[in-house]
Amino acid sequence: EDKVVQSPLSLVVHEGDTVTLNCSYEVTNFRSLLWYKQEKKAPTFLFMLTSSGIEKKSGRLSSILDKKELFSILNITATQTGDSAVYLCAGSGGGATNKLIFGTGTLLAVQP
Amino acid sequence: NAGVTQTPKFQVLKTGQSMTLQCAQDMNHEYMSWYRQDPGMGLRLIHYSVGAGITDQGEVPNGYNVSRSTTEDFPLRLLSAAPSQTSVYFCASSHGQGGEKLFFGSGTQLSVL
Repeated sequence: EDKVVQSPLSLVVHEGDTVTLNCSYEVTNFRSLLWYKQEKKAPTFLFMLTSSGIEKKSGRLSSILDKKELFSILNITATQTGDSAVYLCAGSGGGATNKLIFGTGTLLAVQP
Repeated sequence: NAGVTQTPKFQVLKTGQSMTLQCAQDMNHEYMSWYRQDPGMGLRLIHYSVGAGITDQGEVPNGYNVSRSTTEDFPLRLLSAAPSQTSVYFCASSHGQGGEKLFFGSGTQLSVL
């Protein structure tokens, strides 16, 4: 059965800290790994990774994929209170049409 | 540019009632989908569509029905509501048929009593 597991379930940090969020996956016919940020309502897209070892960056956020070990990490440097959210990881796979298998998310709280 | 619009934002139903959650997107996306989000379960795919007239089941399709008569609209019908369908429902769309880089609607909080 396809599954995506995220860790930790939650964490609390102070502004300026660096955090690392983890995502391991087992997805049939794996194609890509995606990260989303969910604040109060709808998830918003952050990154899509398809190749091993290539880091994607957007400002203070970065992510990398290891297809051999079946995991990805999301790093956030110099955290700000606006980074407080649930971060969702999803594996894309399946047959002719991709299906996303989501993890349960990591709740990040950044304290001032 | 509205993106993905879902209505209603909140709904309370009694067991056995039926209703339709509306979803519309104005980005000309081929792929549209419905997810439900429950505590501790993550987002789970209910139904999806890769174009007008084409729909398929996701991970948890039982008790739900969909149709896709136009590119823009993808309504989700609850046939006979049950308390187990209490959840937050998200409609999402993406360009192409890949269903990966999803744009989500703002969600519908549904309670079934």
